[in-house]
Amino acid sequence: DVKVTQSSRYLVKRTGEKVFLECVQDMDHENMFWYRQDPGLGLRLIYFSYDVKMKEKGDIPEGYSVSREKKERFSLILESASTNQTSMYLCASSTPGRGVTDTQYFGPGTRLTVL
Amino acid sequence: DAKTTQPNSMESNEEEPVHLPCNHSTISGTDYIHWYRQLPSQGPEYVIHGLTSNVNNRMASLAIAEDRKSSTLILHRATLRDAAVYYCILHGGTSYGKLTFGQGTILTVHP
Repeated sequence: DVKVTQSSRYLVKRTGEKVFLECVQDMDHENMFWYRQDPGLGLRLIYFSYDVKMKEKGDIPEGYSVSREKKERFSLILESASTNQTSMYLCASSTPGRGVTDTQYFGPGTRLTVL
Repeated sequence: DAKTTQPNSMESNEEEPVHLPCNHSTISGTDYIHWYRQLPSQGPEYVIHGLTSNVNNRMASLAIAEDRKSSTLILHRATLRDAAVYYCILHGGTSYGKLTFGQGTILTVHP
């Protein structure tokens, strides 16, 4: 079974801190994604990566950056956390190749609270 | 990607079939119809997808209208474990497998 793991289920940080959210997948997937999920707004794509060291902005990249130094690991970075970044963060990876039938596999999520 | 419309919520009784509708009147010829669901406190999980023909797998069936402007996810015998938010997503031609999630349908299953 595909496994996508995220470094923490719950995280509490202070405004202005630098925050790292880590995601690891074990199925050699090329594509990896970071979403945030907020009540009433659904899942929104922050960034995605289609290969090591490659990244593309999603719909809401402001205030975030990402890093993909190894194929299995995709990190989301909040350079200076703010209270409006309090959210559930979900990582996903998808099957190799580029196609309309790619299935995304999600991690359990990290609930981040910024005080 | 084209937009989908789903009811905000639906209810069912355990062991009864559930039909979850999705309208996608602006679907293009290359759009696949994907369904994901999100159980409480978990990330979304893939359920099923199709292009034109009806599809079955161990989790559900997908019935696609002949004009492809609507589809229905069918859970043949709902269980309490099927209580989740169900998302209908069109995915067509965008690179790298990006998906756009809408609000989904909250399914409540009564014992």
